[in-house]
Amino acid sequence: DAKTTQPNSMESNEEEPVHLPCNHSTISGTDYIHWYRQLPSQGPEYVIHGLTSNVNNRMASLAIAEDRKSSTLILHRATLRDAAVYYCILRDFQGGGADGLTFGKGTHLIIQP
Amino acid sequence: EAQVTQNPRYLITVTGKKLTVTCSQNMNHEYMSWYRQDPGLGLRQIYYSMNVEVTDKGDVPEGYKVSRKEKRNFPLILESPSPNQTSLYFCASSALGDYGYTFGSGTRLTVV
Repeated sequence: DAKTTQPNSMESNEEEPVHLPCNHSTISGTDYIHWYRQLPSQGPEYVIHGLTSNVNNRMASLAIAEDRKSSTLILHRATLRDAAVYYCILRDFQGGGADGLTFGKGTHLIIQP
Repeated sequence: EAQVTQNPRYLITVTGKKLTVTCSQNMNHEYMSWYRQDPGLGLRQIYYSMNVEVTDKGDVPEGYKVSRKEKRNFPLILESPSPNQTSLYFCASSALGDYGYTFGSGTRLTVV
């Protein structure tokens, strides 16, 4: 499976934007870039995903590099509730084959009030 | 409300006593998976299912069984639990296609 590299931890201030980077230099053409987060004592939560183009939803934005070897999850205005471990995962979806998410260690995001 | 429901949330059992952790989703999803989460090892996939009667091993399937007789249910079976299966377990489901996974709230299992 193609792997991702994320910083172990990042710190940001409340109400400021947060940019969480992810490197995936061995990404293949059928890999979607997924982001999940896990709040303390909860199950992982889907945040956003994309293939080639930048994506926006109510939770965050995903900026994907033109060569797809890296991406950035953007939280536009962080709150204390955004403190969590954020996972960048490549999901190879070709339909009908093996599926699942391979979690790395993720980035532990700390939000300072 | 669209959700993945796991039961029980907490379970303490003894070595060798068969147990089942249930997982149910109400979103008509094709894909379902089980994961375990351990300190220092992160989340690892145990088994997955692409649809009814179609299951396959993930990264750490030893000591576990699953079945998918109905689309909505995907129980995890431990025939003879051992202490090294003490862990936090998550069930997840996803629609076929370009979608994200929805996770359950987790089951914390302790085997003594």
